[in-house]
Amino acid sequence: NAGVTQTPKFQVLKTGQSMTLQCAQDMNHNSMYWYRQDPGMGLRLIYYSASEGTTDKGEVPNGYNVSRLNKREFSLRLESAAPSQTSVYFCASSVDRVDSPLHFGNGTRLTVT
Amino acid sequence: AQSVTQPDIHITVSEGASLELRCNYSYGATPYLFWYVQSPGQGLQLLLKYFSGDTLVQGIKGFEAEFKRSQSSFNLRKPSVHWSDAAEYFCAVGAAGTASKLTFGTGTRLQVTL
Repeated sequence: NAGVTQTPKFQVLKTGQSMTLQCAQDMNHNSMYWYRQDPGMGLRLIYYSASEGTTDKGEVPNGYNVSRLNKREFSLRLESAAPSQTSVYFCASSVDRVDSPLHFGNGTRLTVT
Repeated sequence: AQSVTQPDIHITVSEGASLELRCNYSYGATPYLFWYVQSPGQGLQLLLKYFSGDTLVQGIKGFEAEFKRSQSSFNLRKPSVHWSDAAEYFCAVGAAGTASKLTFGTGTRLQVTL
């Protein structure tokens, strides 16, 4: 039972490079989310998708774009990476009922030099 | 807007000792409250949640939490800590109507000494 799968696990980029973080879930969840985790900051929501074909900004969307490719997949793109985007990125999914928890992937550790 | 405060950044307890991790929230209505745990190199896992009803909720791994409206708190407790409980713990508050768009606290790192 895979749950939420994120790729890659680790990535190093130079400033200005682009990349896409991939996320897929096999739990038939409607809602998917991208968070970033920074020391002393907790988790902050970047973007979320309540259903296939819809996306909305979270708390810290600047510098990122997302695509909800289908119900299973939700990707996060950095068009021009900056050192401030060095972080651990988590994808999550949920049923989005009022009592449903988030299911998290294991994260992608991104370093921008 | 909702907010969560976890006043303790780092806590160290001895194995077998009791544990209490503090969480205070700010929200205008009845909150939806959660505790998540993150082991090193892993994503977050739900420990327990509170929506309504009994203010003492039981979770996985022997954890419990008590909702106290008068104190705006949702503290996590465990009577006897095991070395495997060493992890980072996050409290989160959700808005009514959709528990998925959560606001997380900054986390408390728990170290367990043998």
